[in-house]
Amino acid sequence: KNQVEQSPQSLIILEGKNCTLQCNYTVSPFSNLRWYKQDTGRGPVSLTIMTFSENTKSNGRYTATLDADTKQSSLHITASQLSDSASYICVVSDSGTYKYIFGTGTRLKVLA
Amino acid sequence: GAGVSQSPSNKVTEKGKDVELRCDPISGHTALYWYRQSLGQGLEFLIYFQGNSAPDKSGLPSDRFSAERTGGSVSTLTIQRTQQEDSAVYLCASSFERGIRETQYFGPGTRLLVL
Repeated sequence: KNQVEQSPQSLIILEGKNCTLQCNYTVSPFSNLRWYKQDTGRGPVSLTIMTFSENTKSNGRYTATLDADTKQSSLHITASQLSDSASYICVVSDSGTYKYIFGTGTRLKVLA
Repeated sequence: GAGVSQSPSNKVTEKGKDVELRCDPISGHTALYWYRQSLGQGLEFLIYFQGNSAPDKSGLPSDRFSAERTGGSVSTLTIQRTQQEDSAVYLCASSFERGIRETQYFGPGTRLLVL
């Protein structure tokens, strides 16, 4: 069964610190992996998109990595800011149906 | 430019009533998606429209759910005879076209509460 699992479920860090969020998936055949940021009460916003051949992608202070062999991805946030407080969702698409499988997200809280 | 808009932003209804949720995609986007986000759950795909092609309805949970897209633009998701388990946030997204690097732009969602 195609699944996307994220960890941790929630995370609290101090402003200025770095953190890493994890995503493991079993989706096959693999097409691409995306990370979204979802602020409370808003729709998700795309951060990065990675295909099979890409193992790292940056967007400002966000850096995503992908290991297609182990089916793992991580999202690293550098020098966190209060505005980074949100849910971060990992989404994997399979190349057969192009269906998107969503993880349940990691809820990040950045404290001053 | 204008993003994806959805209305209403909140809807409270009684069990058994019908509801209609509206989505206005970004102008020029040919692909439109509906998702459901229940508390503590990941987004659940409901239905996908691409241009004038027949929609992919494989995610609709029951025949109480239906959607249409008029003129390749605005879409309406209808839930008939609502049940309490239908309570969720309903998100709409649009994209220029489906593809390996497609970026979906999401609306703010409609929060539905069925009493």
